[in-house]
Amino acid sequence: KNEVEQSPQNLTAQEGEFITINCSYSVGISALHWLQQHPGGGIVSLFMLSSGKKKHGRLIATINIQEKHSSLHITASHPRDSAVYICAVSTKGNYQLIWGAGTKLIIKP
Amino acid sequence: GAVVSQHPSRVICKSGTSVKIECRSLDFQATTMFWYRQFPKQSLMLMATSNEGSKATYEQGVEKDKFLINHASLTLSTLTVTSAHPEDSSFYICSAGPRNQPQHFGDGTRLSIL
Repeated sequence: KNEVEQSPQNLTAQEGEFITINCSYSVGISALHWLQQHPGGGIVSLFMLSSGKKKHGRLIATINIQEKHSSLHITASHPRDSAVYICAVSTKGNYQLIWGAGTKLIIKP
Repeated sequence: GAVVSQHPSRVICKSGTSVKIECRSLDFQATTMFWYRQFPKQSLMLMATSNEGSKATYEQGVEKDKFLINHASLTLSTLTVTSAHPEDSSFYICSAGPRNQPQHFGDGTRLSIL
């Protein structure tokens, strides 16, 4: 079993829909990251969470430490949001990241 | 703006060539940098941890003689793929961050070996 599990693996939605991507982990963490990877491969860090909730524009990330679960939400989705969204956790004691497999999101106009 | 600069972004070269990829932290000192590799349609996998002034720590299964890592200064780590072969074609990305701060990522290097 992977230490970081993401769901769904693939998601296609219509423009304007509310999007939720889930991430569960099984290790002790110091932080959880949500990242966005565009087709060119470059990775952008969206959020780093250790508790609670963060919001940036149309993106919202939440984490429940007790349940070892995090969600990334996109409100009013747009075709430019189409990308792979990756959940990664920083394990306690070091800075290494354990990566989820990613969720490929396609937003259709 | 970018806080971690990775160069080059794309390399296409012949089999047997050695390729050097640079990862620079632009406005902070990074005693530790990480190198990851991503095969098509797969997740990123940690290859090695680059430690300033000492030997890199390689993950199991990663050939240290094949993937040479040098971290000679607090702002620069290099990954050299020696005598590259088509199976080394992949997407390589580095990350770095100030101590106890979020990791920042380079833009990645897409390596294609013909």
